[in-house]
Amino acid sequence: EVVMTQSPATLSVSPGERATLSCRASQSVSSNLAWYQQKPGQAPRLLIYGASSRATDIPARFSGSGSGTEFTLTISSLQSEDSAVYYCQQYNNWPPWTFGQGTKVEIK
Amino acid sequence: QVQLLESGGGVVQPGRSLRLSCAASGFSFNTYPMHWVRQAPGKGLEWVAVISYDGSNKYYADSVKGRLTISRDNSKNTLYLQMNSLRAEDTAVYYCARVSFPGDWLSGRFDYWGQGTLVTVSS
Repeated sequence: EVVMTQSPATLSVSPGERATLSCRASQSVSSNLAWYQQKPGQAPRLLIYGASSRATDIPARFSGSGSGTEFTLTISSLQSEDSAVYYCQQYNNWPPWTFGQGTKVEIK
Repeated sequence: QVQLLESGGGVVQPGRSLRLSCAASGFSFNTYPMHWVRQAPGKGLEWVAVISYDGSNKYYADSVKGRLTISRDNSKNTLYLQMNSLRAEDTAVYYCARVSFPGDWLSGRFDYWGQGTLVTVSS
């Protein structure tokens, strides 16, 4: 099973500043990595797939990078509506499909 | 537009059974693999099960194998999760999710999710 590890657990960022979230896989997942955003009481929403491709209607301030075992989600200029928990997920080595434990982004 | 609507959650005693449903609309349900993902209160996301577009292939998380069964009725555009021998640790919001591409391949990003249904296992 591929273990996904996210850091930090919580990130506090001022509006307009950059937020950088990390995700590490215990073995290579190539570029088969997705990022999801989840707000309280809501279902997860796909942000990034293929490590760096934005999903439909996702603002350009969200970007993803990395391959193999190290991945990054960057929010270039944090907006208040970006307050949420962000999960990475690998879909390369399955079953199981595995998620990171999440990073909570707070607005400072 | 793509819609996934889960139902069937509720409070159930340990050892009892429950069946969840996920009604799909807005796409050709019978061509897409479908997954169940759950989230315990205050916790992260855990993949539960997947079923191929025609129901011929299924995989389960080790934590649910032998107790939970995924199935689908393509004539009704509905995905199911039969939950038997329920345990307290099965308490979670259960989401159905669609894989982004139709066809035989079970994997890929999960591009659409339902709103979830809460299952509480408690005596």
